[in-house]
Amino acid sequence: QLQLQESGPGLVKPSETLSLTCSVSGGSVRSDNHYWGWIRQPPGMGLEWIGNMYYSGNTYYSPSLKSRVTISVDTSKNQFSLKLSSVTAADTAVYYCARTLSWYHFEYWGQGTLVTVSS
Amino acid sequence: QSALTQPPSASGSPGQSVTISCIGTSSDVGVYNYVSWYQQHPGKAPKLMIYEVTKRPSGVPDRFSGSKSGNTASLTVSGLQAEDEADYYCSSYAGNNNLVFGGGTKLTVL
Repeated sequence: QLQLQESGPGLVKPSETLSLTCSVSGGSVRSDNHYWGWIRQPPGMGLEWIGNMYYSGNTYYSPSLKSRVTISVDTSKNQFSLKLSSVTAADTAVYYCARTLSWYHFEYWGQGTLVTVSS
Repeated sequence: QSALTQPPSASGSPGQSVTISCIGTSSDVGVYNYVSWYQQHPGKAPKLMIYEVTKRPSGVPDRFSGSKSGNTASLTVSGLQAEDEADYYCSSYAGNNNLVFGGGTKLTVL
């Protein structure tokens, strides 16, 4: 059974860079026809797509976050990562990593990790 | 403001059917058959319930069904059960490698 686990600091200061890692077990990030993505959910609010990536390195980002987001993969560690620069309080959210069934649908999700942006 | 519009709340009694709408535009829901629905219980990760408008992943009860007409997608839950009480989110491919979500609907089983 595929499992995903987010990890990273739970507190980030404003203007700094948020960095999270998603560790994949029970499967490989080098999976053909599957993309890996990040989605976030501010407290009490709805879901927001951040971006998707393929293990070859192709990446796709939300237009609203594109200037601040980088998603990358480390196939040797079976992990992929999210970096979000110049964070503000509006970036406070639960961040989920997920695997797509195709590019468009997230079939497997991590449990999510809360990241708070505060000084 | 979410790209897709959902009603904030919906409700029904056990055994009844309830339909949740997801209104998009001719640039997303209206043109692509890549609409998904997710169920989220409090404190839990979302769960894929419907993909490509009408398809159910393995293990999702057939009480859950999806449809689309024009720019509006819908999720119908038939034979409501207590465990169906949750938040439901729609999403759609919006072209240009972009994915958008709805604001979510809280489903209450009376």
